[in-house]
Amino acid sequence: NAGVTQTPKFQVLKTGQSMTLQCAQDMNHEYMSWYRQDPGMGLRLIHYSVGAGITDQGEVPNGYNVSRSTTEDFPLRLLSAAPSQTSVYFCASGINSGANVLTFGAGSRLTVL
Amino acid sequence: GQQVMQIPQYQHVQEGEDFTTYCNSSTTLSNIQWYKQRPGGHPVFLIQLVKSGEVKKQKRLTFQFGEAKKNSSLHITATQTTDVGTYFCAGRSGTYKYIFGTGTRLKVLA
Repeated sequence: NAGVTQTPKFQVLKTGQSMTLQCAQDMNHEYMSWYRQDPGMGLRLIHYSVGAGITDQGEVPNGYNVSRSTTEDFPLRLLSAAPSQTSVYFCASGINSGANVLTFGAGSRLTVL
Repeated sequence: GQQVMQIPQYQHVQEGEDFTTYCNSSTTLSNIQWYKQRPGGHPVFLIQLVKSGEVKKQKRLTFQFGEAKKNSSLHITATQTTDVGTYFCAGRSGTYKYIFGTGTRLKVLA
């Protein structure tokens, strides 16, 4: 099993450009989520999904869109990148229960110039 | 909204010393989880606590969940260089939002 796969690992954007961070899992997990990690800020929840067709906002959703058309994939879209979105992004998935152990991807480091 | 704070933010210890990190939530938690992130890596699940006052041990690591289910602690006995990393708590409060603490970065000096 590959677990949670994130692409790309590194990306540099210019302000105003758009891009999509990809996340795929092969564990048949219903729950998927995106976090961003900034120094001193810990991991902040951007968006999450409890199943195909269902998404909801986390702590810091502004500037990001998500969709969940399949169980396996949960892409994160930046419509107009800003320097404040420079961060390391982690995708995490879980079975979707009260005891939801999260499995994280390796992360995507995004720099917005 | 729900907030989860951790202290300290950083901790440097000599190898063999003990280490403790504390996690405090603004709301009552359904459960609390602990994760470890090695430098340059991704968070990896360590343990989950569900019951009020619960204590669990993993070798040199002891995890506690407070009686009010609003705080938790991780204690490492006799730290080793392999314990280096950032330790995060994560709590869920009635929803599927898993809110992470700010993390405690541990450095162990040999």
